[in-house]
Amino acid sequence: QSALTQPASVSGSPGQSITISCTGTSSDVGSYNLVSWYQQHPGKAPKLMIYEVSKRPSGVSNRFSGSKSGNTASLTISGLQAEDEADYYCCSYAGSSTPWVFGGGTKLTVL
Amino acid sequence: QLQLQESGPGLVKPSETLSLTCTVSGGSISSSSYYWGWIRQPPGKGLEWIGSIYYSGSTYYNPSLKSRVTISVDTSKNQFSLKLSSVTAADTAVYYCAKSPPTRAAFDIWGQGTMVTVSS
Repeated sequence: QSALTQPASVSGSPGQSITISCTGTSSDVGSYNLVSWYQQHPGKAPKLMIYEVSKRPSGVSNRFSGSKSGNTASLTISGLQAEDEADYYCCSYAGSSTPWVFGGGTKLTVL
Repeated sequence: QLQLQESGPGLVKPSETLSLTCTVSGGSISSSSYYWGWIRQPPGKGLEWIGSIYYSGSTYYNPSLKSRVTISVDTSKNQFSLKLSSVTAADTAVYYCAKSPPTRAAFDIWGQGTMVTVSS
């Protein structure tokens, strides 16, 4: 079970949009619409932002959106705000024997 | 509103067994078809799924840790537990407990996390 691949860092200016990619394989991201995304601020627990590829939990801003194509999932944040600066992790279901695998994480810097 | 809270020793000696408990409040651990899991994060590094237990008792472990991990549920205390044996400094991390819905769609509720240091 290998970790999903994310860029180490992305950056953007306030008001801009950014996209974070999450690349897996045909055994995880490519096989299931069960990709989730988490936001983590320093010293805090991760917070669920997107589940089932593109669904937002109640209370999460609609500036956050998710998509998937083949073995790659993406998180897009539009209208960047200072409080979006955080680490972001993707996660995918990977089958019944070893259900979950995380990405390595992406540090978002709001310039 | 379901809440999770980790507890356990903050310091464990090398070669010993790390034991943590997650207490579930605001609902019964056995009343719904949830998965109850453990995830860790070494200092400055990313998240790693350790393993999960289904409400029925079925367990699922990360292959890289499987030989050292045991996850169990105590329904009488509304808790689930993690045991990680033969620990080394590489097991130093913040350990989170988290819940997944029956759809396995995500980890939707997390505990605040507890730091465990492996050192003599």
